[in-house]
Amino acid sequence: NAGVMQNPRHLVRRRGQEARLRCSPMKGHSHVYWYRQLPEEGLKFMVYLQKENIIDESGMPKERFSAEFPKEGPSILRIQQVVRGDSAAYFCASSHGLAGRTDTQYFGPGTRLTVL
Amino acid sequence: KQEVTQIPAALSVPEGENLVLNCSFTDSAIYNLQWFRQDPGKGLTSLLLIQSSQREQTSGRLNASLDKSSGRSTLYIAASQPGDSATYLCAVSSNTGKLIFGQGTTLQVKP
Repeated sequence: NAGVMQNPRHLVRRRGQEARLRCSPMKGHSHVYWYRQLPEEGLKFMVYLQKENIIDESGMPKERFSAEFPKEGPSILRIQQVVRGDSAAYFCASSHGLAGRTDTQYFGPGTRLTVL
Repeated sequence: KQEVTQIPAALSVPEGENLVLNCSFTDSAIYNLQWFRQDPGKGLTSLLLIQSSQREQTSGRLNASLDKSSGRSTLYIAASQPGDSATYLCAVSSNTGKLIFGQGTTLQVKP
C-alpha cells in the first residue's frame, strides 16, 4: 500500500512564476490536508479538502494561493506569482475520514520549494 | 486560539538513557493528539495517536500520555538509541480535523 505521494520533491522557481504542487493521498483516503514549514519555523496548517470540496482554508494566504482536490486525480496546491517568502517545505497529509476528526493523518515526503 | 508548546527545544542524552519529551496545549477541547518524528530534510512519521478519551498509548519503546484537563502530553522513550535522533513533533487535532503543531524537540542520542 503506497503511502502519500508528493511531486515534485524539489521545485525551483523564479520570482513571479507559478508553482504547482501535487499530492496523491493513500489509497482509500478521501481527506487531504496541506501544511507549510517555513525555515526555522514549525508546521502550519493551510487547507483541508475532501473530494471536490474545500472544508477549511483558514490557514491559506488570502492572495496567490489556491488548492483543489478534484474527483479524479491528485490534490493540487497552486501558488501564483511566487515571492522569496514562499520558499518552504510543503507537506500533504491524508486520512480516510471514516472516523472523522479523530483519524490519523499520514504525511507525504514534502515538496521543497525554492524561489530565486 | 489553540497554542502548542514543546519543552525542551533541544535535548542531548547518552545512549541507553530513558527520556521524556513534554508538550502542552492551551485549549483542552481537542479531538486527539499525535506525536510525530521528523528526520532532517524528510517528511513526518506518525509515532502515536491518543484519542481525547484515552490516557496513554504504547508502541515498542515509546509511551505517550495525555492529560486533557491540564493540557499536557508526554512522550517517554525508553533505552534511547542513536537511531532515535530526530525532531519530535506534538500536534493536537482541532474540531475541523486540522493539526496544530508545536515547534518540536530536537533529540540527539550520543553513542
